[in-house]
Amino acid sequence: QVQLKETGPGLVQPTQTLSITCTVSGFSLTSYYMQWVRQTPGKGLEWMGFIRSGGSTEYNSEFKSRLSISRDTSKNQVFLKMNSLKTEDTGVYYCARAWNYSSSPFDYWGQGVMVTVSS
Amino acid sequence: DIVLTQSPALAVSLGQRATISCRASQSVSISRYNLMHWYQQKPGQQPKLLIYRASNLASGIPARFSGSGSGTDFTLTINPVQADDIATYYCQQSRESPPTFGGGTKLELK
Repeated sequence: QVQLKETGPGLVQPTQTLSITCTVSGFSLTSYYMQWVRQTPGKGLEWMGFIRSGGSTEYNSEFKSRLSISRDTSKNQVFLKMNSLKTEDTGVYYCARAWNYSSSPFDYWGQGVMVTVSS
Repeated sequence: DIVLTQSPALAVSLGQRATISCRASQSVSISRYNLMHWYQQKPGQQPKLLIYRASNLASGIPARFSGSGSGTDFTLTINPVQADDIATYYCQQSRESPPTFGGGTKLELK
């Protein structure tokens, strides 16, 4: 069955870089768009960006200058890297699957990983 | 960005109908497609897709959930409400990038 699972550091210091891995099973990354969505106390659910089935990416302009999404299809993994972290980046980070077009809903979500930005 | 507005909370009795609204700052419909989706989130869990494109039930979702609307005004209806439905409900538009979410409506027991 379809499964997504995020793994990440939990605690990150301000100004440092956040790296999260989403490992998927039950489907192919080359057939779906993979999204990153975060949920913060200040802004609720926010779409961060996606990587298309073909490997190209699109980012929310809110994060564009400090966000990178990539993947390794051989390992069924999608990666999020965001630099210059601030305390307001504290929240839960989710990967989610979407069908193979940009206006599709997010039909499966990972359990999320809680990230705290603090010194 | 398209702003989606939801009431923060709705109190309902078990067995009754719950109607949750979402209003968009501009139309999220293109021709026959209404690009609004609904999710349920319980505490400590990830969001779960309930309804896609305004009125289509996602796989495995009970028929007591339904959605309607077009343009800027959309509704999620739960009828009858069961105890397991107590959660926060979010609308999300995919008409324009970036996809945006409403602030959520917390369904509470009366």
